[in-house]
Amino acid sequence: QSALTQPPSVSGSPGQSVAISCTGASSDFGSYNRVSWYQHPPGTAPKLMIYEVTNRPSGVPDRFSGSKSGNTASLTISGLQAEDEADYYCSLYTSSNTWVFGGGTKLTVL
Amino acid sequence: QLQLQESGPGLVTPSQTLSLTCTVYGDSITNTGYSWGWIRQPPGEGLEWVGTISYGGATYHNPSLRSRVTISLDTSKNHFSLNLRSVTAADTAVYYCARQASCRGGCYPHLDYWGRGTLVTVSS
Repeated sequence: QSALTQPPSVSGSPGQSVAISCTGASSDFGSYNRVSWYQHPPGTAPKLMIYEVTNRPSGVPDRFSGSKSGNTASLTISGLQAEDEADYYCSLYTSSNTWVFGGGTKLTVL
Repeated sequence: QLQLQESGPGLVTPSQTLSLTCTVYGDSITNTGYSWGWIRQPPGEGLEWVGTISYGGATYHNPSLRSRVTISLDTSKNHFSLNLRSVTAADTAVYYCARQASCRGGCYPHLDYWGRGTLVTVSS
């Protein structure tokens, strides 16, 4: 399975914007909108934040946005809040009906 | 509101079978357009997909688990189950169940609801 590469950690102060990158090498990643993002505070259930690269489920604040350029997808969080502190995972649903997750990025709100 | 709840033993002996159940509240597991999956997180590590079963019973699993995985539906109890055979300490993890949605075929799959997870430790 293809690997998805994320930075181990990012940080920002309240009110700032941060971006978390996710790089993949497969054609599934670069050619299609198969990427989704999940927020995972410790000890709780992961939460879907973005699907199909840019779509936000109902209930997710519009401070969260997704994008993709070539083989790199990004999750951007604007107007950073303390409650945004969590681990974030990108994932890819492959053409073989399997899932691949990135290694996760720990977001720290300073 | 859809809820998923994992249940099963918290301790499994090496070489035995890990068995977990995910009970779904607020939706039918036979609802067309949805699949149901298992994802795990070893201590201190990231998320790892284990396997998925569709509403019709088609299954897919992580190749790295070398066919040790069986996932099944129990429509009478509205739950789905995971069996992982021949476990080792490397299978120690928090196991999550999740619903896989695809907008009834109109969008790429994504995991829209998750359970809170259950810790399974493999140890003698």
